[in-house]
Amino acid sequence: NAGVTQTPKFRILKIGQSMTLQCTQDMNHNYMYWYRQDPGMGLKLIYYSVGAGITDKGEVPNGYNVSRSTTEDFPLRLELAAPSQTSVYFCASSGHAPTYEQYFGPGTRLTVT
Amino acid sequence: AQSVTQLGSHVSVSEGALVLLRCNYSSSVPPYLFWYVQYPNQGLQLLLKYTSAATLVKGINGFEAEFKKSETSFHLTKPSAHMSDAAEYFCAVTNQAGTALIFGKGTTLSVSS
Repeated sequence: NAGVTQTPKFRILKIGQSMTLQCTQDMNHNYMYWYRQDPGMGLKLIYYSVGAGITDKGEVPNGYNVSRSTTEDFPLRLELAAPSQTSVYFCASSGHAPTYEQYFGPGTRLTVT
Repeated sequence: AQSVTQLGSHVSVSEGALVLLRCNYSSSVPPYLFWYVQYPNQGLQLLLKYTSAATLVKGINGFEAEFKKSETSFHLTKPSAHMSDAAEYFCAVTNQAGTALIFGKGTTLSVSS
């Protein structure tokens, strides 16, 4: 039982490039989340999903897209990367609404230069 | 609207001393409150949660928190700090729709010998 896995661990992008951050969970959780963490700012919710085929915007969705075709996978797409997207990205999942525990992946550190 | 304020971005204690990390919340509905811990270069891990069952909540690693509605607070305490407690701690509250968490900006705990 690997929990929540994220790939890659690190990535450097040039301005304007695109990439997909992968997130997979093996706990059969319905709820999945993408956060970004910037120093001194806590975690900000980018997008979340309450089940396969259902996604919704969080607090900071601009510049990102998501899809949820399976229960296990919740990829985050960055189009036209900008320096403001330099951050650490965390994926999380929960078996029920977030009144229950969220399980976090180890994070992806992204630098856009 | 839901929000969380963590007082003090950095707290330093000596090993064996009391740990007190402060969290105040704002919520238009009965809140669900959480404390998460993040060790360097790792994802977040749940310490404890309040879901209206009991106002004093015990968590892992000897931490506990007390929900005080009159003070809109959910402070985290540990009677005796250990070097291994050095980490960043986040307080969080569920959003109004109950679909995601809103995190505070975090408090870094340093423990000296």
